[in-house]
Amino acid sequence: AQKVTQAQTEISVVEKEDVTLDCVYETRDTTYYLFWYKQPPSGELVFLIRRNSFDEQNEISGRYSWNFQKSTSSFNFTITASQVVDSAVYFCALSEWETSGSRLTFGEGTQLTVNP
Amino acid sequence: DADVTQTPRNRITKTGKRIMLECSQTKGHDRMYWYRQDPGLGLRLIYYSFDVKDINKGEISDGYSVSRQAQAKFSLSLESAIPNQTALYFCATSDPGGLGGNTQYFGPGTRLTVL
Repeated sequence: AQKVTQAQTEISVVEKEDVTLDCVYETRDTTYYLFWYKQPPSGELVFLIRRNSFDEQNEISGRYSWNFQKSTSSFNFTITASQVVDSAVYFCALSEWETSGSRLTFGEGTQLTVNP
Repeated sequence: DADVTQTPRNRITKTGKRIMLECSQTKGHDRMYWYRQDPGLGLRLIYYSFDVKDINKGEISDGYSVSRQAQAKFSLSLESAIPNQTALYFCATSDPGGLGGNTQYFGPGTRLTVL
């Protein structure tokens, strides 16, 4: 069965610090997709990134970067020079193509607080 | 206008009442999903539908039912609400995805409190 673990329940940093959110996943499928979503205090879920299992290239989008390593089953998310507006709960999620009809399995989430 | 809308946004009800949460989307997606979010547990899938005639149970479907009235509408019902169904409920939609995967787009959520 698929599983996503976000071991960091809460992280607190001071503005401008870099912060990395960890995500470890388990799957038996060879084709799968990994996602990160942001949930700000207002409550909505905002899609940040999707990665498929065939593409291990790291990705950078502004202050956000993602490191996908199949060897360690990890898909970590780094925010560079954090800002107060980055404060949110961040969810990592997994979708198995072959066995789960592309349903998402979410991790428990990491609450990030960026203090001024 | 939002692509995925949910009504109501907030609801307080009493144990034993029947409640319906509604979801509508203008994204033209075939696939729709209902999740619930509880503190410390992330989101868990209740039901999902790949088209109007295809409805499937998720990991926590007991106590819930759904109706896919049209491609754009997917409703979640609690036939007899109980307090442990107090949670934040999200509707989501996606394309089939193919090799590109299926990014799911979420509505704003419905906060349900069962007293």
